[in-house]
Amino acid sequence: GQQVMQIPQYQHVQEGEDFTTYCNSSTTLSNIQWYKQRPGGHPVFLIQLVKSGEVKKQKRLTFQNGEAKKNSSLHITATQTTDVGTYFCFDGGATNKLIFGTGTLLAVQP
Amino acid sequence: DGGITQSPKYLFRKEGQNVTLSCEQNLNHDAMYWYRQDPGQGLRLIYYSQIVNDFQKGDIAEGYSVSREKKESFPLTVTSAQKNPTAFYLCASSTGQGGYQPQHFGDGTRLSIL
Repeated sequence: GQQVMQIPQYQHVQEGEDFTTYCNSSTTLSNIQWYKQRPGGHPVFLIQLVKSGEVKKQKRLTFQNGEAKKNSSLHITATQTTDVGTYFCFDGGATNKLIFGTGTLLAVQP
Repeated sequence: DGGITQSPKYLFRKEGQNVTLSCEQNLNHDAMYWYRQDPGQGLRLIYYSQIVNDFQKGDIAEGYSVSREKKESFPLTVTSAQKNPTAFYLCASSTGQGGYQPQHFGDGTRLSIL
């Protein structure tokens, strides 16, 4: 079955450094969503990307789909301590398979 | 305020016991979902429901059961057949077809074995 892997599993940065997590699928991604889960909390929806090569920005966050739609990325510019948490990609799937990526845990040191 | 309410927040299960986790939403969403999250892991789909009186199995449905008698409610029963139930259980809802609309999550229920 489809697997959605994220790299890295864990990243520790100094506040102000940039951060990127990559979401890679064994099959074509249909409808990509990104979520953030704070420690001890629940996932919160960030954004949705549908088209290949699509780029969306939310303040310091930049989301991008690959041209072949088998990968997606989330880049945070100048991290802040409020960015701490686990970032998950999610694929809705054309066949209605709902799959979350393995997640990337971001730690930010002040 | 609209939202999703999960209860209880913490739950303990004895061997051989069935337990039911509650999930209620007042967002008027059609679709509801149950996910399981193990420590340091991603979310895995247990069951989902697109409309009342209809639900489909996810990847890890064995040992679990659900019902969807009302639009607002989607309870999950963890049966004694689920041999490793210790996990964080998250309920979610969305306005439309699963995967094409953002999911809104409840605060979760942490289930442990006594």
